[in-house]
Amino acid sequence: AQSVTQPDIHITVSEGASLELRCNYSYGATPYLFWYVQSPGQGLQLLLKYFSGDTLVQGIKGFEAEFKRSQSSFNLRKPSVHWSDAAEYFCAVGVYNNNDMRFGAGTRLTVKP
Amino acid sequence: DGGITQSPKYLFRKEGQNVTLSCEQNLNHDAMYWYRQDPGQGLRLIYYSQIVNDFQKGDIAEGYSVSREKKESFPLTVTSAQKNPTAFYLCASSLASGYTFGSGTRLTVV
Repeated sequence: AQSVTQPDIHITVSEGASLELRCNYSYGATPYLFWYVQSPGQGLQLLLKYFSGDTLVQGIKGFEAEFKRSQSSFNLRKPSVHWSDAAEYFCAVGVYNNNDMRFGAGTRLTVKP
Repeated sequence: DGGITQSPKYLFRKEGQNVTLSCEQNLNHDAMYWYRQDPGQGLRLIYYSQIVNDFQKGDIAEGYSVSREKKESFPLTVTSAQKNPTAFYLCASSLASGYTFGSGTRLTVV
């Protein structure tokens, strides 16, 4: 079965600085990959997804992620972080039809003024 | 607008009591899921259903039960057999391109 690792439990960045959140997956075939964001006490919102094709994926809120098969990674990036980006971020890996999607443990992002 | 509605937002359970969390979707999605979220543990799958009248256990099904009598509805019952039910519960649905989540129910044992 597939699995996801988010190595960083908590990251702090200054407002305006760049951001990269790491995600490593384990799956034998080409995975479906996702990044979600969760504000406190809320559900998860889809930021972006990768199914196939261009390995650099653009999402909402200025986020992007790059699929690197050789490194089994799908890192999330943003060039300039805003205070409103403070939240918890989850990487997820799915298989065909996404009926068995696995989530990482999450990375909590704090943004310093 | 289409989406998933979870209710109530907050729920309190007494020891030995069963409680039911509601999840309704109007997205016409076939598959629905229940996750439990605890601090630092991410999301753990409780139950999922791919079609009406069928559901499967996830990784932590003990102490929980579900039904799927209608495509739109997938209620979760937390039974008295669940010894540590205090958590945030998330319902989701999917078609083929990622999950849509509800806003969650926070359950607390009092």
